[in-house]
Amino acid sequence: AQSVTQLDSQVPVFEEAPVELRCNYSSSVSVYLFWYVQYPNQGLQLLLKYLSGSTLVESINGFEAEFNKSQTSFHLRKPSVHISDTAEYFCAVKGEGFKTIFGAGTRLFVKA
Amino acid sequence: DTAVSQTPKYLVTQMGNDKSIKCEQNLGHDTMYWYKQDSKKFLKIMFSYNNKELIINETVPNRFSPKSPDKAHLNLHINSLELGDSAVYFCASSSSGGETQYFGPGTRLLVL
Repeated sequence: AQSVTQLDSQVPVFEEAPVELRCNYSSSVSVYLFWYVQYPNQGLQLLLKYLSGSTLVESINGFEAEFNKSQTSFHLRKPSVHISDTAEYFCAVKGEGFKTIFGAGTRLFVKA
Repeated sequence: DTAVSQTPKYLVTQMGNDKSIKCEQNLGHDTMYWYKQDSKKFLKIMFSYNNKELIINETVPNRFSPKSPDKAHLNLHINSLELGDSAVYFCASSSSGGETQYFGPGTRLLVL
């Protein structure tokens, strides 16, 4: 079985500052890792994913995450955030089978 | 074109009523899911169908009954609604590999 822990429920940050949203997972099998973003009153959208290969993955809007197998982490980072990045961010893990396990979410609040 | 659509978007009803939520996807996926998101944004898998066959059935009251008439549709019927059923219900779909999930906009259910 897999599990996901998002270590911060809320992360307030000023515009143009860097941010890191932390995610740790546990699994006895190889996993796929995801970050989804949920803007207010919308469904979740895939931000980026790690399936295999390079451990550093990037999104089109400047986010990146690094798969660290030894630390079982998949932290999300952005060097300079915008007001429009304000949203709920979910880390997720998928092992064998069809089930994807989502973390409890981290609310990123970007202040002007 | 909307990839995953849900109807209705909002649903306000009285305790004890029976209601249905409908979901349709035009992505050609053969796996569909229902999730419940509570007021704290926690996302919980309820059901999943693959090629119209139930493959995930989490610990959900039997008042909830999913139905998949074909691969593009997954409906959720709820009998005898209770206050605790108030939440946002998301439909999602994926290919059989089940890696990336595509979410609908959600149905906001309020039971009075």
